[in-house]
Amino acid sequence: DTAVSQTPKYLVTQMGNDKSIKCEQNLGHDTMYWYKQDSKKFLKIMFSYNNKELIINETVPNRFSPKSPDKAHLNLHINSLELGDSAVYFCASSQKGTYGYTFGSGTRLTVV
Amino acid sequence: AQKITQTQPGMFVQEKEAVTLDCTYDTSDPSYGLFWYKQPSSGEMIFLIYQGSYDQQNATEGRYSLNFQKARKSANLVISASQLGDSAMYFCAMRGDYAGGTSYGKLTFGQGTILTVHP
Repeated sequence: DTAVSQTPKYLVTQMGNDKSIKCEQNLGHDTMYWYKQDSKKFLKIMFSYNNKELIINETVPNRFSPKSPDKAHLNLHINSLELGDSAVYFCASSQKGTYGYTFGSGTRLTVV
Repeated sequence: AQKITQTQPGMFVQEKEAVTLDCTYDTSDPSYGLFWYKQPSSGEMIFLIYQGSYDQQNATEGRYSLNFQKARKSANLVISASQLGDSAMYFCAMRGDYAGGTSYGKLTFGQGTILTVHP
């Protein structure tokens, strides 16, 4: 069983489109995250949810909107996609009080 | 705010030799955790090792050990007996563990070091 699964793995889309990336974890963790890895491999946190509540919201364009229907799911919706949004997006989860973070396999988004 | 610095963009090591990947950090939090992750060319993020700021002993996990020098704010990763499969990007990361701090629960990454193991 995959612990943190993201779909789709690859996403190629045109500028101006709206797209979503889904993430699900079956570890029973209470906190989930979205990270963006740019073309230089730099990883930066975007959002974090704890038990469906937004707790970290970095300086991210408001075209990006996370949604957590329950503590096992954290989706990322992106409106009006731009070329600069091309990156690998990682979902991760952790349990408060423990140190482990588990990452999904990433979604490579290419905006053309 | 917390900051992680990895000053080695790339490192080369001969198979079976040991290698040290450098990591320095800066934080105002009294309590924090330090992590190392491996990212092979396939792209997944693999957790390697963790060190808590109050841990007295350096962390070890198999061939990986973390050389934690709190006064110098460094958390270097030592890989012993390198293997060809160790060739990958390595990230140092830090998480603030102080509930009153702005970095609480936030995992911040360094720029990464590409390790190449030669046969």
